[in-house]
Amino acid sequence: AQTVTQSQPEMSVQEAETVTLSCTYDTSESNYYLFWYKQPPSRQMILVIRQEAYKQQNATENRFSVNFQKAAKSFSLKISDSQLGDTAMYFCAFASPYNNNDMRFGAGTRLTVKP
Amino acid sequence: DSGVTQTPKHLITATGQRVTLRCSPRSGDLSVYWYQQSLDQGLQFLIQYYNGEERAKGNILERFSAQQFPDLHSELNLSSLELGDSALYFCASSVAGLAGEVSSTDTQYFGPGTRLTVL
Repeated sequence: AQTVTQSQPEMSVQEAETVTLSCTYDTSESNYYLFWYKQPPSRQMILVIRQEAYKQQNATENRFSVNFQKAAKSFSLKISDSQLGDTAMYFCAFASPYNNNDMRFGAGTRLTVKP
Repeated sequence: DSGVTQTPKHLITATGQRVTLRCSPRSGDLSVYWYQQSLDQGLQFLIQYYNGEERAKGNILERFSAQQFPDLHSELNLSSLELGDSALYFCASSVAGLAGEVSSTDTQYFGPGTRLTVL
């Protein structure tokens, strides 16, 4: 069974600085997808970034980028130039096309951006 | 706005009752997924439907059931409610979600959730 682990329950960062959130996962499959979702206080789940395992290039979306290390089964999220609006719960998630793509989520990291 | 709609936003009911949560997927999406998020916890996958058929089951209780209608909207039925069923219930949709299709994108887009409170 696939499992997703986020070892940092809480993190904080100063506005405009850079922060990295960690995520590791466990799977025996060779092809899968990884996601970071953001859940602000409104509780809406917002897709931040996604990575296909067969792609070697790390995904980037504006200030958000990932460091995908397939052999190490690691998928960290880097937020550059942190903004107050980045304050949220961040969930790492795994989905496999061989398992109907239902997602397995980590426990989340609560990020606070301080002014 | 993800394009996925859920109603109602909030629901307050008593133990032993039955409720129905509704989800309309994004236009063109055939798959609907239901998730439960209990207080300060991560999301647990409940069930998936693809084009009207049940595709996958997760940690869904026997008291819970779901269906997807011909117009692709989905309903999650929760019966014999218990205090522990209080949670945020999310619906997500994706284009496909077929097992084994390596090329499918299947990014899931989430609705705003329904907050269920069982008193």
